[in-house]
Amino acid sequence: NAGVTQTPKFQVLKTGQSMTLQCAQDMNHNSMYWYRQDPGMGLRLIYYSASEGTTDKGEVPNGYNVSRLNKREFSLRLESAAPSQTSVYFCASSESAGYSGNTIYFGEGSWLTVV
Amino acid sequence: AQKITQTQPGMFVQEKEAVTLDCTYDTSDPSYGLFWYKQPSSGEMIFLIYQGSYDQQNATEGRYSLNFQKARKSANLVISASQLGDSAMYFCAMRSSSGSARQLTFGSGTQLTVLP
Repeated sequence: NAGVTQTPKFQVLKTGQSMTLQCAQDMNHNSMYWYRQDPGMGLRLIYYSASEGTTDKGEVPNGYNVSRLNKREFSLRLESAAPSQTSVYFCASSESAGYSGNTIYFGEGSWLTVV
Repeated sequence: AQKITQTQPGMFVQEKEAVTLDCTYDTSDPSYGLFWYKQPSSGEMIFLIYQGSYDQQNATEGRYSLNFQKARKSANLVISASQLGDSAMYFCAMRSSSGSARQLTFGSGTQLTVLP
């Protein structure tokens, strides 16, 4: 009963280092998302992939890149980490992006600290 | 642009009592969905309940119900018979069916503490 799985769960980076957050879903969903959550705030959308082969920017895309590797997997890359990217990152998926009634299911989160 | 407002940063409720968490929203899209998520201290986001803008009846899921008042643009979450395990952060969120608004927009959350 995995749902959405993301790795790593915890990571400490130095400023300027790069890293990739991995995400996989086993629900045969078409759409996948990356969100970030900063202290005391709700989640904000970084990038999303409405379907395999497409990606689009969300509300806060600067400093990030994504890759929709296949239907199951959607990765988030920080090319040159900055302290402002210290956050909790959530991967999510839904059956489709086009219907407002499709529930979005979340992974357990990845805690990233940039020092 | 769509917006979700949760005006209660923190709420307290006695165990076994009911509690209402407020949520108001703003959108110009006639078709949208409203969601509530629970985030316990462990950090995961747990889907609780969904209400569609065209649904005639208020959504219910076990002890959770959504008090949907479309004209007032409010979608309050009601938790009946509160349990200690209900202590968590609760987020209201919305999706519209058009353009970039198809993605979830979250409110800032309400921290609920259930007292024994």
